[in-house]
Amino acid sequence: AQTVTQSQPEMSVQEAETVTLSCTYDTSESDYYLFWYKQPPSRQMILVIRQEAYKQQNATENRFSVNFQKAAKSFSLKISDSQLGDAAMYFCAYSLPVTGKLIFGQGTTLQVKP
Amino acid sequence: GAVVSQHPSWVICKSGTSVKIECRSLDFQATTMFWYRQFPKQSLMLMATSNEGSKATYEQGVEKDKFLINHASLTLSTLTVTSAHPEDSSFYICSARDSSSYGYTFGSGTRLTVV
Repeated sequence: AQTVTQSQPEMSVQEAETVTLSCTYDTSESDYYLFWYKQPPSRQMILVIRQEAYKQQNATENRFSVNFQKAAKSFSLKISDSQLGDAAMYFCAYSLPVTGKLIFGQGTTLQVKP
Repeated sequence: GAVVSQHPSWVICKSGTSVKIECRSLDFQATTMFWYRQFPKQSLMLMATSNEGSKATYEQGVEKDKFLINHASLTLSTLTVTSAHPEDSSFYICSARDSSSYGYTFGSGTRLTVV
């Protein structure tokens, strides 16, 4: 069974600093997608970044980038120049292309200190 | 971008009654929709997968007769919580898969409180 593990329930970062959120997953598939979602207090799920497993190049979206290590089944999220608006719960998620099921990790609550 | 409209955003119902939650994809065809349940400060737990025109597939441990899912069209999926009890109180979120872009769009969620 596919599982996603986020080992950091809470993280804290100073405004303008950089923080990395960890995520590992378990799968026997070779073709899949990985995602990071942000859930602010409004509870609306917001896509932060997406990575296709067949792409070796790490995805980047402005201040957000990932370190995708396929062999290690690791998918960490780096947030640079952290802003107060980045404070939220962050979920790592794994998806199988065939079924489309999106499986989430436990989540990491990020606090940004001014 | 793709939008999924979820209604109601919150509902309070009496124990024993049924509640229907709707999710509509506004500008794309959602061949597959997913329903999640989320408790405070916890992760999203997948309840079921619905495909347009066919029966929903439920995750292990989810009561099919309590959580009725209908996906009658490419733009509408509904979740009906039947004979609701206080333990069904939770936050329910739908997500539609846009097969053309392989993206997922989430509804804004429904907070259900059963009293």
